[in-house]
Amino acid sequence: NAGVTQTPKFQVLKTGQSMTLQCAQDMNHNSMYWYRQDPGMGLRLIYYSASEGTTDKGEVPNGYNVSRLNKREFSLRLESAAPSQTSVYFCASSERVAGGNGYTFGSGTRLTVV
Amino acid sequence: AQKITQTQPGMFVQEKEAVTLDCTYDTSDPSYGLFWYKQPSSGEMIFLIYQGSYDQQNATEGRYSLNFQKARKSANLVISASQLGDSAMYFCAMREVAGTALIFGKGTTLSVSS
Repeated sequence: NAGVTQTPKFQVLKTGQSMTLQCAQDMNHNSMYWYRQDPGMGLRLIYYSASEGTTDKGEVPNGYNVSRLNKREFSLRLESAAPSQTSVYFCASSERVAGGNGYTFGSGTRLTVV
Repeated sequence: AQKITQTQPGMFVQEKEAVTLDCTYDTSDPSYGLFWYKQPSSGEMIFLIYQGSYDQQNATEGRYSLNFQKARKSANLVISASQLGDSAMYFCAMREVAGTALIFGKGTTLSVSS
C-alpha cells in the first residue's frame, strides 16, 4: 500500500503565482489534514476534513484553500503565493477518531516561494 | 492558548544513556489521546507511542515509554539505552475527542553522541 501520496515533492514558486498541492490516500480513511512545518514551530494545522464533504479551518488557514475532492483526495491551494508560505507541507489521514498508529503522514512537499 | 508545550528545544545524550523528553498539555476535554512522533533528518513522521487519557498504565513500546502524569498534564517520553539512530526531532501531539486533528508541540531535537 502506498499510504498517503503527496505531489509534488519539491516546488519553487514566484511570489504571486498559484499552485495546488495534491494528496491522496488509499486506506479508506474518513479524515484528512494539511499541516505546515516551519523551523522551531512544529507542525501547524492549516485545514482538515473530518469526513468527505466537510472542511474546517485549522490554526493557520490564511492564504490557503482546500478541496475534499472525494474520500481519497484532499488538495491544498495557494492562490497567490507569498514568501511567508515557504515551508514543508504534510498531508495526513486517519479514521474519524484515531489512536495509536492511526495517523498516516505523507512524505511532505518542500515549497519555496521567491 | 498553546495546547502542547515542549520546553526543551534541544537535548544531548550519550549512547546507552536514558533520556526524557518533556511534554505538557492543556485540555478541558476528559477524553483525549497523546502521541509521540520521531522525525529523522530525512523528514518522514514516524509514530512511536500512544497514551489514551483513560489508560491506567503508562504506555511502553520497546525502548520507548510514556511517563503519563494526568494530574500534572504531562506526557514525557523516556528513551532507554539511547542509540545513534535516535538522533532526530521528536514531537508530542494530542487529539481531543471533540476533534479529529492532531495538535503538535514545537518539538525537541535529540542528539545522541558516541
